[in-house]
Amino acid sequence: GENVEQHPSTLSVQEGDSAVIKCTYSDSASNYFPWYKQELGKGPQLIIDIRSNVGEKKDQRIAVTLNKTAKHFSLHITETQPEDSAVYFCAAGITGFQKLVFGTGTRLLVSP
Amino acid sequence: EADIYQTPRYLVIGTGKKITLECSQTMGHDKMYWYQQDPGMELHLIHYSYGVNSTEKGDLSSESTVSRIRTEHFPLTLESARPSHTSQYLCASTQGSNQPQHFGDGTRLSIL
Repeated sequence: GENVEQHPSTLSVQEGDSAVIKCTYSDSASNYFPWYKQELGKGPQLIIDIRSNVGEKKDQRIAVTLNKTAKHFSLHITETQPEDSAVYFCAAGITGFQKLVFGTGTRLLVSP
Repeated sequence: EADIYQTPRYLVIGTGKKITLECSQTMGHDKMYWYQQDPGMELHLIHYSYGVNSTEKGDLSSESTVSRIRTEHFPLTLESARPSHTSQYLCASTQGSNQPQHFGDGTRLSIL
């Protein structure tokens, strides 16, 4: 079955710096890759997703890149702010299987 | 904003009690999921449903059971709670494959 690895497990940056979180997946049939942000005491919230027919997607300060050949995808956050501090999860899904496989999470801390 | 609700948000209860965690969504989604998550850690799929009268066990073995009698409602039951059941339980729903899962804010369960 699918396996998703996520790195790093923790990431500390200064406000205004960029943050990059990387995930690799094992099943070449995976074609949907969402990213979730989970704040303390809340459920994960979708922040951006990408499908396998595109290589990059941006939404303001957040971008995701996908390399299907290497089977990895990354989340990029620019101009980080303290409110970006949270746990971030990547996931991979396959059309028709209705399930997502999640990475192990990255705890991002943005210091003022 | 997704409309998926979980109750109770917190529950502290003694060993041996029967517990039902409620999950409801108003989006008409056919597919619903239950995840178990220790705080800030990875999500483990324990149950899912593709529609009314459909339930399946997830990747992580769980002593809990679920039912899906109505589209909008997907309760999880523990017949006899034990301290090992202490965790956070997250419910999610989706419109279909290649679509994001929307999460509730979870139930934090503590068994004494």
